[in-house]
Amino acid sequence: KAGVTQTPRYLIKTRGQQVTLSCSPISGHRSVSWYQQTPGQGLQFLFEYFSETQRNKGNFPGRFSGRQFSNSRSEMNVSTLELGDSALYLCASSQSSGTYEQYFGPGTRLTVT
Amino acid sequence: SQQGEEDPQALSIQEGENATMNCSYKTSINNLQWYRQNSGRGLVHLILIRSNEREKHSGRLRVTLDTSKKSSSLLITASRAADTASYFCATPRGGGSQGNLIFGKGTKLSVKP
Repeated sequence: KAGVTQTPRYLIKTRGQQVTLSCSPISGHRSVSWYQQTPGQGLQFLFEYFSETQRNKGNFPGRFSGRQFSNSRSEMNVSTLELGDSALYLCASSQSSGTYEQYFGPGTRLTVT
Repeated sequence: SQQGEEDPQALSIQEGENATMNCSYKTSINNLQWYRQNSGRGLVHLILIRSNEREKHSGRLRVTLDTSKKSSSLLITASRAADTASYFCATPRGGGSQGNLIFGKGTKLSVKP
């Protein structure tokens, strides 16, 4: 099976712009989670989706949003970008919400200038 | 907030030596997982240990869990240069959702040939 894919892999945006990141989970996986990784804060949970429903949301401002489509693909959007949003954004999928093992994609490296 | 805290933050050893990393967590858990990350890329799931298990092996990996001390350790035996990576422990936040993991800050392991 193909692994989790994320597009784009690298992105440079300007402060105030908005960005959309995409994640395609492993075929058959219905749960998708997003994480932000920065040198200062480490890995922090953003959201979890299961069957197009957001199950959990981390402690991030409303500028961060996401959704999941019927084919389990997921997108996350960050509006009004700030310099502090520069990070590696990781997507992970699992077979169901009751499965513990998470399969991570390679990440999208977002740089905000 | 970070649940797991890894110790040490960085570890440098020679090929063939054993590497031990420790993780402490704060709340009760039903499982604890270890992940590896190479050079800011995606995370790879290494091993999961459930709260009713004390020790688990997978190849050159050995994980222990002490729920009374809220701590876990990861031992990599006969290390190789390819083991150079950051290692993270992670625990589910709970509430029926397993896709919402709390990660520690990680141990950066360097294995010199």
